Amino acid sequence: DTAVSQTPKYLVTQMGNDKSIKCEQNLGHDTMYWYKQDSKKFLKIMFSYNNKELIINETVPNRFSPKSPDKAHLNLHINSLELGDSAVYFCASSLGTIQETQYFGPGTRLLVL
Amino acid sequence: DQQVKQNSPSLSVQEGRISILNCDYTNSMFDYFLWYKKYPAEGPTFLISISSIKDKNEDGRFTVFLNKSAKHLSLHIVPSQPGDSAVYFCAARSSSGYALNFGKGTSLLVTP
Repeated sequence: DTAVSQTPKYLVTQMGNDKSIKCEQNLGHDTMYWYKQDSKKFLKIMFSYNNKELIINETVPNRFSPKSPDKAHLNLHINSLELGDSAVYFCASSLGTIQETQYFGPGTRLLVL
Repeated sequence: DQQVKQNSPSLSVQEGRISILNCDYTNSMFDYFLWYKKYPAEGPTFLISISSIKDKNEDGRFTVFLNKSAKHLSLHIVPSQPGDSAVYFCAARSSSGYALNFGKGTSLLVTP
């Protein structure tokens, strides 16, 4: 009965490959997010969807494409993976968008070789 | 440009004592502040929050203080327990923004 789940938990892949990370929340929330935690441990927003509509798209290479098939899912597809994409990717969700607490998934540890 | 700063990367406290974690921010539009706790290999877990209309919020052993004029907030944990050992992230957002802006985290170690 995990609130926010991500798959896979670990992902090791070669440069140039295409990979997807999946996120699902069973909290009934309307808003979902993708954050990236880099090697310096900064957690930075990448994307946010509210009711399947994109509301945040930070300065992220267009090799990264989020997809929200429904309110409970927000997947992240990454094309042509680069070494610098190695990081921990966290999915989060919140009930709404104004002063709402965000709840995080366990993270996906991506290592690009 | 880092808008939320946690200048102490680590803190060590004895069990039973008070832990004080500090956070500074630069964006005066921020009006909602949160603390998250993170264990290794897990996602951040929400701990406590405070709106800018308040200067204190308490939940059990955890209290967050907000000083808007100084653009400073702090998290007090009392009494500290070994299970509190984790990385604590301060986060802030404005009503006009959707994303949380995180600090770099402070690693708290509570020793028996």
